[in-house]
Amino acid sequence: GQNIDQPTEMTATEGAIVQINCTYQTSGFNGLFWYQQHAGEAPTFLSYNVLDGLEEKGRFSSFLSRSKGYSYLLLKELQMKDSASYLCAVRIGTYKYIFGTGTRLKVLA
Amino acid sequence: DGGITQSPKYLFRKEGQNVTLSCEQNLNHDAMYWYRQDPGQGLRLIYYSQIVNDFQKGDIAEGYSVSREKKESFPLTVTSAQKNPTAFYLCASSMYQGGIKNIQYFGAGTRLSVL
Repeated sequence: GQNIDQPTEMTATEGAIVQINCTYQTSGFNGLFWYQQHAGEAPTFLSYNVLDGLEEKGRFSSFLSRSKGYSYLLLKELQMKDSASYLCAVRIGTYKYIFGTGTRLKVLA
Repeated sequence: DGGITQSPKYLFRKEGQNVTLSCEQNLNHDAMYWYRQDPGQGLRLIYYSQIVNDFQKGDIAEGYSVSREKKESFPLTVTSAQKNPTAFYLCASSMYQGGIKNIQYFGAGTRLSVL
């Protein structure tokens, strides 16, 4: 079967760094995506990894280890507006995406 | 501005009624998708379409139907056979470029409730 695990909820303080982990067991792998979703809104694309290693984009970085079935999203210099759910998704083949249940991040002042 | 438009934002269904959710994109994307999101669950794929006049069932297609008569449009009908339709429905699209990123872009969603 297909399985993606993320922590349900995390809390961090404004200005801090937080790491959201994602582990996956899927029948194939053609890329891993991270999305941000504010309550009641559409998910928006944050990052993409298909090869092992770290991808950095401003305050956000994402890491992938295919041999371990593991990824993390790193958010630096947390801001209140970063309070949202973060979705990890694995693409299998060309068109099929498997989503995790999401990690709800609360940023406290 | 390019993007994906879903309508309506809120929809109410009566018992035994079919309802249709609209999804239009002007991104010139080949592929379109419908997902259902329930509290505490990940996005689950209902249907997807790679090209016009072709679509495939996802993991939870029962009680739903779709059509793809135009590249820009991919409406979803929630039929009376879907006994638990209350959920947040998200439409997405992506370009097919032979294995490159193919990022999915999402519409703002339709929240469907049963009266």
